[in-house]
Amino acid sequence: SAVISQKPSRDICQRGTSLTIQCQVDSQVTMMFWYRQQPGQSLTLIATANQGSEATYESGFVIDKFPISRPNLTFSTLTVSNMSPEDSSIYLCSVEIGGSGANVLTFGAGSRLTVL
Amino acid sequence: GQNIDQPTEMTATEGAIVQINCTYQTSGFNGLFWYQQHAGEAPTFLSYNVLDGLEEKGRFSSFLSRSKGYSYLLLKELQMKDSASYLCAARDSNYQLIWGAGTKLIIKP
Repeated sequence: SAVISQKPSRDICQRGTSLTIQCQVDSQVTMMFWYRQQPGQSLTLIATANQGSEATYESGFVIDKFPISRPNLTFSTLTVSNMSPEDSSIYLCSVEIGGSGANVLTFGAGSRLTVL
Repeated sequence: GQNIDQPTEMTATEGAIVQINCTYQTSGFNGLFWYQQHAGEAPTFLSYNVLDGLEEKGRFSSFLSRSKGYSYLLLKELQMKDSASYLCAARDSNYQLIWGAGTKLIIKP
């Protein structure tokens, strides 16, 4: 299994500012996934980050709002830009680890953002 | 469209058994996952089913019926620490994970 370190664990942000979340994995992985989980809601995939190429964004998410970096095979960042209260959520970094016939998602501890 | 349905909340008694159901509609199917998520923590993997039948892992078992688009997670000998949300997720033909909103399980003494 992989160990994922994610920071910050939580933050309170002002409207209009931007915050960058960092995700470090203890092994090299091809893809890293960024999810959002709003209170009482399902996990929603924001984008998939591949090393050496632009991230692939899901419907409803755009690069200008959620720029992603993936400088190497163990690290990625997600920036939440020009934040509004609607961006208050938990943001989760994850990677897939294969085994037992399944590619299992392992998550970081999450970053809980509150936008005032 | 693709969809996962699971109950919002369930309550059970310590020491008892509880079954959390999940129905899914996806474009193709490449497996079903159950995750546990304690409040304020990240989801952790519990089980994976890709073939019909029951997979048992200690106190937890997971069942799949592909023809019915149905799965359940069975928790036996409930403990207070089992109080958590349980997330069902199905993988579609594009290997995308479709997530349910989660079932909050409350265990009472």
